Amino acid sequence: DGGITQSPKYLFRKEGQNVTLSCEQNLNHDAMYWYRQDPGQGLRLIYYSQIVNDFQKGDIAEGYSVSREKKESFPLTVTSAQKNPTAFYLCASSIGAGAHEQFFGPGTRLTVL
Amino acid sequence: GENVEQHPSTLSVQEGDSAVIKCTYSDSASNYFPWYKQELGKGPQLIIDIRSNVGEKKDQRIAVTLNKTAKHFSLHITETQPEDSAVYFCAASILRVTGGGNKLTFGTGTQLKVEL
Repeated sequence: DGGITQSPKYLFRKEGQNVTLSCEQNLNHDAMYWYRQDPGQGLRLIYYSQIVNDFQKGDIAEGYSVSREKKESFPLTVTSAQKNPTAFYLCASSIGAGAHEQFFGPGTRLTVL
Repeated sequence: GENVEQHPSTLSVQEGDSAVIKCTYSDSASNYFPWYKQELGKGPQLIIDIRSNVGEKKDQRIAVTLNKTAKHFSLHITETQPEDSAVYFCAASILRVTGGGNKLTFGTGTQLKVEL
């Protein structure tokens, strides 16, 4: 079964702690993306990666970090520097750069207490 | 950077009626416009997309129109059904021959409710 998996679905952390969200795809896609979704604000791009060992900042990268050591994995770390980390986080992938459909995972809802 | 505005934020229609969602974009260089449907608790799913070299595209009950001069595009759903109830997002991006990823800028979403 091909697709994108994100784990866990719900995540709770204490303020000041770093937390890493998992994103894995078995679609053999080159490009991967992380978005943040807040009520009434749509989806905003945090980071994206076109190929392994390469990634670029999106529109709201402050307080986040990523790595792309493997083609199938693109973990996102929400650091203590992120001022308002509680949100719904969505990972996506596409075949590569260009007008290719972005396939989204089911999302992780992060709540910082 | 690109800015995408989407209206309305909520839309209620009777089953069988048509629904129209409108988006405007700011960057005239944008050339790719996808529409996504998001059901509760799930990730968005692409339902239709259009490139700037065409003015209209249809797929069964769904159609998208693009007016490049006015920089707006619309989603049309005909013969709406209860399963069409969801949040719909428009997006825009600039696709370059040299690559550079597909950085989508999303609208703020429309909650569509199809009532029986």
